[in-house]
Order: sequence, then structure tokens, then C-alpha cells
Amino acid sequence: QVQLQQWGAGLLKPSETLSLTCAVSGGSFSDYYWTWIRQTPNKGLQWIGESTHSGSTYYNPSLRSRVSISVDTSKSQFSLKLNALTAADTAVYYCCRATRPRLFDYWGQGTPVSVSS
Amino acid sequence: DIQMTQSPSTLSASVGDRVSITCRASQSINNWLAWYQQRPGKAPNLLIYKASSLEDGVSSRFSGSGSGTEFTLTISGLQPDDFATYHCQQYSTFPWTFGQGTKVEIK
Repeated sequence: QVQLQQWGAGLLKPSETLSLTCAVSGGSFSDYYWTWIRQTPNKGLQWIGESTHSGSTYYNPSLRSRVSISVDTSKSQFSLKLNALTAADTAVYYCCRATRPRLFDYWGQGTPVSVSS
Repeated sequence: DIQMTQSPSTLSASVGDRVSITCRASQSINNWLAWYQQRPGKAPNLLIYKASSLEDGVSSRFSGSGSGTEFTLTISGLQPDDFATYHCQQYSTFPWTFGQGTKVEIK
């Protein structure tokens, strides 16, 4: 049974950097795209970006200048960094597994992130 | 980016009803369309892919149809567990995008 468990700081100030990590258990780590998605009440679900197990990354153009996704295959983990935070980055952040083509079939539990001074 | 527009935003229905949700794409996505169910406080769960294919373990009360730019999710015989929010997602063209969600609530 595939499980994704995520963690990271949930209360941040403007201009700070968001850092989240997701651990994958069960299933292959090499056959999928390891993905971050966020959700806000106003804008719904937004795909942030993804990484392969070998570190090839793809980012949403709207966030590309501020986002970085990395993988640690030795631990079956992947991480998200989003810098220069503003209140608009307040959201629930999910890690998930994406197939080829991009279907999101397993999700982490979500981390609420609030950006406020 | 391909814009995905769902209607209605909220749908009120009763247990046993048959309901339909529409998702429109701003350009053709062939049949590269998925539907997800999200219960309050939980992550989304994949229901349907390729517009009409049911994910393993998903009830046959759920069905999907459409191609090109217009798609429909139908739930037959609404059950208490089905009151949730439903999202469509296109995976035709990078970046992958979602509709804004349709909340199915109890009338």
C-alpha cells in the first residue's frame, strides 16, 4: 500500500521560505513523478511542480522563479521550497504521486500553510 | 494555460438523486480529463480518468463522458458518502490544470 507522509512548518512570515518534505512508502520510487499541489478556497487546486526520481524537474511557469523541488532517493523522499512568500501563498499544500500521463493517484495528508506578518 | 470551468459551483441534492456536473476546457483536450472526489479535510481521490474510465475500486454509480472541450460527471443514486466536492483536471497540456470544484451538498 502506497503512503505519502508530509511535514514542514505551517506558519510563516512574508518574504520567508516555505520548506516541506514528503516521505513515500510502498511501491516504486523510480516510475513516477513526485509532485506538489496546493489548494486555496478562491483558486482551487494548483499544480506547483514535479520531479522524477533522477531529479528532472518541471515547474508551473507562474511559480518557476520561486520554486524548487528536490528528491532524495536513498530515503524515498522529496521536498518543496518556495521562497519570497506573500499572503497569496497561504494554502493547503499536498504532496502526491503522478503517473505518466499525469494522474494524481496517491496524496499526502496536506499541510496548511499560513503566511502572515 | 488551459482553463477548466466547472458548473455549477454548488449543487443541492437528496440521497438517491442522479446528479451531473459539467467541466469545460478552454481548448480541446481530447479525452485527457480526470475527475477527483474530495471529502472535507481530506486530500482529493481519483475517480475517473481518460474522461470515462473508472479507477479501480470506484463505485459504478460514478460515470464520466465527453471529449474535446465538454465533459460530464454523473452520479447515479446519490449516497451519503457522495456529498463532497468534485474537481476536474486536464492532463493534455502542461501545466496540468484543475477546475475550481463543485460542491455537492445535501438538500
